[in-house]
Amino acid sequence: EADIYQTPRYLVIGTGKKITLECSQTMGHDKMYWYQQDPGMELHLIHYSYGVNSTEKGDLSSESTVSRIRTEHFPLTLESARPSHTSQYLCASKGTYLTDTQYFGPGTRLTVL
Amino acid sequence: AQSVTQPDIHITVSEGASLELRCNYSYGATPYLFWYVQSPGQGLQLLLKYFSGDTLVQGIKGFEAEFKRSQSSFNLRKPSVHWSDAAEYFCAVGAKGSQGNLIFGKGTKLSVKP
Repeated sequence: EADIYQTPRYLVIGTGKKITLECSQTMGHDKMYWYQQDPGMELHLIHYSYGVNSTEKGDLSSESTVSRIRTEHFPLTLESARPSHTSQYLCASKGTYLTDTQYFGPGTRLTVL
Repeated sequence: AQSVTQPDIHITVSEGASLELRCNYSYGATPYLFWYVQSPGQGLQLLLKYFSGDTLVQGIKGFEAEFKRSQSSFNLRKPSVHWSDAAEYFCAVGAKGSQGNLIFGKGTKLSVKP
């Protein structure tokens, strides 16, 4: 069982609000990822980190930002939420080696009204 | 560019019947391939992975997959489906030179008839 947690699990919020989606893992993994998933669509990588103070943008452009101040914590922030941000956000982590498994959290379902 | 295609959006099988989910990839070198399963409202769980060696890979929950380089395929199989297998299944390829970043297919939703 993977020890990776996301909060909140569900969030309904109004346009213009600032939100932070939390992701934490207790496995000591260096690599962490944020994916965006819409119904019937593939997962799109929006941010990743290979270690503390390292963050990169993924393949899908996103208005969100991330930080990696601690190994175990990789929060995602939206400064001003819009309806187009409505989606499911999945966090994942992975060990150092290429063959290590990427483990996923349960996801946060975000709805922006 | 790397890509993954899952041709079947939705498949329905009867409980006890065999299952094959298709996955084709586009990749310039030896790929790293994965199958994940996602139950409603949940994250993804790894079923199996292929990096090298034996092209027939065994996974959890009775699933297996076969890597066929000549067909650029990595199809997932199960000999006898259980109602609890109803879920969405994602194939993924390890992106080239990315230290483990994954590219996912759009998924195949599996329904199981009693």
